[in-house]
Amino acid sequence: NAGVTQTPKFQVLKTGQSMTLQCAQDMNHNSMYWYRQDPGMGLRLIYYSASEGTTDKGEVPNGYNVSRLNKREFSLRLESAAPSQTSVYFCASSERPPLHFGNGTRLTVT
Amino acid sequence: QKEVEQNSGPLSVPEGAIASLNCTYSDRGSQSFFWYRQYSGKSPELIMFIYSNGDKEDGRFTAQLNKASQYVSLLIRDSQPSDSATYLCAVNGLVDNNNDMRFGAGTRLTVKP
Repeated sequence: NAGVTQTPKFQVLKTGQSMTLQCAQDMNHNSMYWYRQDPGMGLRLIYYSASEGTTDKGEVPNGYNVSRLNKREFSLRLESAAPSQTSVYFCASSERPPLHFGNGTRLTVT
Repeated sequence: QKEVEQNSGPLSVPEGAIASLNCTYSDRGSQSFFWYRQYSGKSPELIMFIYSNGDKEDGRFTAQLNKASQYVSLLIRDSQPSDSATYLCAVNGLVDNNNDMRFGAGTRLTVKP
C-alpha cells in the first residue's frame, strides 16, 4: 500500500520553464490537495479537488493550474516558473480529516 | 484573515522531560484541531486530533483545547530524542473535510539525551 506518491522528488527549473508535478493515491479518497511549504510560512493550500471532476482555488493559486485526471491522480502545473515558486510541494489526500501526505517535491527555480 | 500562530522555537528539553507546544488561532468558528509531526526533509504525519474542549490523551501525547481562549496545545511526556522534529498545528473550520485547513509555521523541538 503506497499511500500518496509524488513525482519527481527533486527538480531544478530555469525561470520561464514549465513542468508538471504528479500525484497519485491508492486509498480511494475523494479529496486531493496541493500545498506548498516555505520556511517560516507553514503549509499553504494551492488548489484542492473535493471529488473527481472538480477543482477549487486555495490560498495561493496564482501561477499554478491543476488537473484531476481521475479519482487517483491530481497534477499541478507551473506554466512559466518564477523564483518565487521555489518551495517544497506536498500532495495530500483524504476522505475526511486528517490529511495523508506524499513525500514532497523540492523545486528550485533559478 | 484566519491565522494559526506557533512559536518557531527551537524548544529544547532534556530527555525524559515534558515538552509543551502551544498554538493560538484567530478564527473563533474553527471546529477541528490537529497536531502533525514533521521530521527534517520528510512529510507531515498526524500525531493527534481534538474536536472538543478539554484534554485528549494518546500514549505519551496529550492534546489540550480551549475554544474560549482559542488555544490548543500538545504535551509530550517522557520526551525522547526521537521526538526531535517540527510540530505543526493545524486548524480546520470544518469537521467533515479538510478544505478549510490552516497550518501554523511549526515549532522545532529538540530533545537532548
